[in-house]
Amino acid sequence: QVQLQESGPGLVKPSETLSLTCAVSGYSISSGYYWGWIRQSPEKGLEWIGTIYHSGITFYNPSLKSRVTISVDTSKNQFSLNLSSVTAADTAAYYCSRGLRSSISREGTYYYYYYMDVWGKGTTVTVSS
Amino acid sequence: SYELTQPPSVSVSPGQTASITCSGDKLGDRYVCWYQQKPGQSPVLVIYQDTKRPSGIPERFSGSNSGNTGTLTISGTQATDEADYYCQAWDSSTARVVFGGGTKLTVL
Repeated sequence: QVQLQESGPGLVKPSETLSLTCAVSGYSISSGYYWGWIRQSPEKGLEWIGTIYHSGITFYNPSLKSRVTISVDTSKNQFSLNLSSVTAADTAAYYCSRGLRSSISREGTYYYYYYMDVWGKGTTVTVSS
Repeated sequence: SYELTQPPSVSVSPGQTASITCSGDKLGDRYVCWYQQKPGQSPVLVIYQDTKRPSGIPERFSGSNSGNTGTLTISGTQATDEADYYCQAWDSSTARVVFGGGTKLTVL
């Protein structure tokens, strides 16, 4: 059974860097899949932050790209999120997930899909001085 | 940028069919998935690749996608299905994941 567990500080000061780690158990990151981060502000919907493949290929939300770095440590079977220059607007529940991205050919055109089949329980991060 | 639009809320009586829509430009040319999120819990995948159900998801959950609209259908809705539901797609033009705003399903 694949399980993901987020960890990191629950309180970060404005202008500092938010750092979270997601430990993966029951599956080797090196075996495949994409590994990503999503956040959810109180009373709001889901916001995708970014995704990394075990090879290091990354995809980031354009609205956060300038502040986000996602990295993977296959030796520890975990991946991490760094979000710099945080403000109160970054206060949210942060989830890590396992994703599958692939494509299907229809009439000579490739259509890509991405879905997240395993999620961590989430960790709440508050940005405040 | 690509956007997905969902109704904020849908109500259904127990035992009836609930339909939650997700609208986006030429959404039928993409693949949609759906997540269920109950209060205080992380999201759970209930439909992927438009119509497929992950292992462990009840058969009463089904999906479709055509034209500009994807639909999550819950047949014989139960009180335990009361939750927020989010649609999601991959935007190839910008290489990013896009979520709908979410729909709160109330089972009256």
